[in-house]
Amino acid sequence: GDSVTQMEGPVTLSEEAFLTINCTYTATGYPSLFWYVQYPGEGLQLLLKATKADDKGSNKGFEATYRKETTSFHLEKGSVQVSDSAVYFCALSDPDTGRRALTFGSGTRLQVQP
Amino acid sequence: NAGVTQTPKFRVLKTGQSMTLLCAQDMNHEYMYWYRQDPGMGLRLIHYSVGEGTTAKGEVPDGYNVSRLKKQNFLLGLESAAPSQTSVYFCASSYSGVTGETQYFGPGTRLLVL
Repeated sequence: GDSVTQMEGPVTLSEEAFLTINCTYTATGYPSLFWYVQYPGEGLQLLLKATKADDKGSNKGFEATYRKETTSFHLEKGSVQVSDSAVYFCALSDPDTGRRALTFGSGTRLQVQP
Repeated sequence: NAGVTQTPKFRVLKTGQSMTLLCAQDMNHEYMYWYRQDPGMGLRLIHYSVGEGTTAKGEVPDGYNVSRLKKQNFLLGLESAAPSQTSVYFCASSYSGVTGETQYFGPGTRLLVL
């Protein structure tokens, strides 16, 4: 079955540091890939997505590139802020499953210190 | 637009009690989903619906039932709550279920079963 693997957290960074959160996946079909963010006490919000190989999703300074050859979708940001502190989820949607639901990774908590 | 709303926000149950969680969306979406979020496990799909009057099982359906009598509402029922059902429950919706389409999440319901 499909699966998503994320790096363990928490990730603790100082403000303005560079961020990378690794995400790799296995899927039977040709999936779409997502990063969702969950701020404290809130639901999940879409951060960015990519629907085909070599596509780059970007939003709010975050970027991720769909790498089919390495089955990866790593999240990066050049300079994090305290307001980026949240839990980040990598997820995929596989057309071969037929149900269109998302398969999530376990989430990575990011803590940014001033 | 309110987006996706969930009722209640928090509930404490005793083992064996029953309850219903309500999800409502005002975006005219066809697809709706119920996920549960547990520490270190990301979100897992419980049940989903591809349209009014239809429901289907997800990854972890045991102990839950659902109904979609109206397009805008998706109810999740626990007939006899167990401590293993202590979790945070998220409802989500999407327009057509096409791969790559964004899912919109509610704020979550925190359930504690004693």
